[in-house]
Amino acid sequence: GEDVEQSLFLSVREGDSSVINCTYTDSSSTYLYWYKQEPGAGLQLLTYIFSNMDMKQDQRLTVLLNKKDKHLSLRIADTQTGDSAIYFCAETVSGGSYIPTFGRGTSLIVHP
Amino acid sequence: DTAVSQTPKYLVTQMGNDKSIKCEQNLGHDTMYWYKQDSKKFLKIMFSYNNKELIINETVPNRFSPKSPDKAHLNLHINSLELGDSAVYFCASSLGAGSGETQYFGPGTRLLVL
Repeated sequence: GEDVEQSLFLSVREGDSSVINCTYTDSSSTYLYWYKQEPGAGLQLLTYIFSNMDMKQDQRLTVLLNKKDKHLSLRIADTQTGDSAIYFCAETVSGGSYIPTFGRGTSLIVHP
Repeated sequence: DTAVSQTPKYLVTQMGNDKSIKCEQNLGHDTMYWYKQDSKKFLKIMFSYNNKELIINETVPNRFSPKSPDKAHLNLHINSLELGDSAVYFCASSLGAGSGETQYFGPGTRLLVL
């Protein structure tokens, strides 16, 4: 299987919360990232969490890390149509290449 | 104000041609990267340069040759283009080469080989 896995699609109604999930295999992950890719654009770093943290909040974004289950999630509160994009989970591992390993991305579709 | 820029944004060409994609960053970063994103959105590292020196070269055909004339530029030259080279190519940069360094991505170059 892949090192970083995500579901491919998520559809939510405007105003609801979105939760995008990611699982990874390497227990020596040091940093875990969430990137956003809007149509026709490059990846933009949204937030990241260091592996010794359980949670990080930044305005409408909440990142939860469950190291035991190797599970990372991104919650977007009050989802807006402008949040429609592809969200990539990525990790870097201790002692390995500093290049992040990316998941295949979750397409978030926000409908009115 | 563009931090990481790439040209061209779109590139349509015939099989067998040679083409170049240019990348420039004005962030003062030491490290630059080329990624390939396939039609299924899978993003894979191709090369990484630090201070104009190649430090990562994944299993990329030698038809792909990166060139870094200075720290602010990392160009990608592709010889004898093949159908399978069709993808979106992203340039990125980071302050340094280390885990935890935030990477800043360019807008991508959409290459279509006919």
